[in-house]
Amino acid sequence: EAQVTQNPRYLITVTGKKLTVTCSQNMNHEYMSWYRQDPGLGLRQIYYSMNVEVTDKGDVPEGYKVSRKEKRNFPLILESPSPNQTSLYFCASKGTRGGYTFGSGTRLTVV
Amino acid sequence: GQQLNQSPQSMFIQEGEDVSMNCTSSSIFNTWLWYKQDPGEGPVLLIALYKAGELTSNGRLTAQFGITRKDSFLNISASIPSDVGIYFCAGQNYGGSQGNLIFGKGTKLSVKP
Repeated sequence: EAQVTQNPRYLITVTGKKLTVTCSQNMNHEYMSWYRQDPGLGLRQIYYSMNVEVTDKGDVPEGYKVSRKEKRNFPLILESPSPNQTSLYFCASKGTRGGYTFGSGTRLTVV
Repeated sequence: GQQLNQSPQSMFIQEGEDVSMNCTSSSIFNTWLWYKQDPGEGPVLLIALYKAGELTSNGRLTAQFGITRKDSFLNISASIPSDVGIYFCAGQNYGGSQGNLIFGKGTKLSVKP
C-alpha cells in the first residue's frame, strides 16, 4: 500500500531534550516535506526536500533541522525543543506533479 | 510567508444543502489543490487543478481554477454527514518550487442530519 509513515504518533518530551520524528515513503517520490498544524493557523511548511541531499526552508524553519540522505526517508530533528514547538506535525511526499500525500501525523507536546 | 485567504472559516449546514468555499491569493498560482482532513488524520487530496479556467469534478465535489490564477473555489453538492471535516485549499506559487506548497487556514464544515 502506497503510504507515508511517520513515527511516533504521540510524543511528550521536556524542554531541551533532542528528538527526532521519522518519516518514510514507499512511492519513490522526489519531494518530501514537513508541516506543522496549529489551531487557527492551518498548515505551515517547515522544510521541504526536492531530492536526496537537497533541502530548502519553508515558512517556519526556526528550531528545526532535516536531512535527506536517502530518497525514502526525511527525518525531522528538534535539537532543543521548546514549548512553542508543541504542535501536530505532518510529513508528506509527492511526485513531480500533483499534491502531497500526507502521513497520519505526530502530536508533539513539549513541557 | 505568503498566505492564502480561505473563506468561510466555518460552515454549519443542513444535510442535503450545497456548500461553496473559496481561496484567494495576492499572487499568481500555477497549481491549486483541495484537501479534506478528518479528525485525527492527515489531509487527503480531493481535487488537483493545473490550468487557469479548469473545472474538475470528483463525485459531488466540483472545483475551479480561477481565470486570473489568483483564486479557486470548491463546491459540494447535496451534502451528507460524512462530508464533515476541515477543507483546505493549497497552491503552488508561479515560478516557485514544486515542493513549496502553501495552505489556506481551512474551512470547518459541520453537517446537521
